[in-house]
Amino acid sequence: EPEVTQTPSHQVTQMGQEVILRCVPISNHLYFYWYRQILGQKVEFLVSFYNNEISEKSEIFDDQFSVERPDGSNFTLKIRSTKLEDSAMYFCASMSGPQETQYFGPGTRLLVL
Amino acid sequence: GESVGLHLPTLSVQEGDNSIINCAYSNSASDYFIWYKQESGKGPQFIIDIRSNMDKRQGQRVTVLLNKTVKHLSLQIAATQPGDSAVYFCAENPLTGGGNKLTFGTGTQLKVEL
Repeated sequence: EPEVTQTPSHQVTQMGQEVILRCVPISNHLYFYWYRQILGQKVEFLVSFYNNEISEKSEIFDDQFSVERPDGSNFTLKIRSTKLEDSAMYFCASMSGPQETQYFGPGTRLLVL
Repeated sequence: GESVGLHLPTLSVQEGDNSIINCAYSNSASDYFIWYKQESGKGPQFIIDIRSNMDKRQGQRVTVLLNKTVKHLSLQIAATQPGDSAVYFCAENPLTGGGNKLTFGTGTQLKVEL
């Protein structure tokens, strides 16, 4: 069964450093998402991406964040200068069409020290 | 696990009993609702969904009920098994915004006792 994959599973970084989180969405999907979950809290939407551009973003997704689909398979989230409060699980999701099911990856646990 | 917090509501059931997990949603414009299961250290896993033109949908051992009048969603799990132990989130997808973003509820920790 096709699934969303994410790398790395864990990432530890120093405050102020740049990180890139990688995702490979399900191959025939067209809509891509990043969500995050701070420990003990609910999953929060960050950004949606369709047709090579951002379609919606949350207040969390400020200028320090960017997304890219560099080729036909990868979807990345970059945090330019990490802050302590960026520590969370980051989930990628993909969807085949509008208002279809979003399938989530296993997440990347990011720890900013 | 990642999604367990001290403030998460918890439902404890005996193995074999039925479980009912409730969720109140906020956006009356939402027309698509999904239940996800999240096990410790893993991503949300799709369980079942329902669109606003329905009030009930059944899957294998799971049933979702939607009451749009009071903006309430429930997930019923029949014959609960130890493997059902996880945090369960409801999510809503409003028509507005264009991005089809999901808004998640707080989550309920389901514990199945043997």
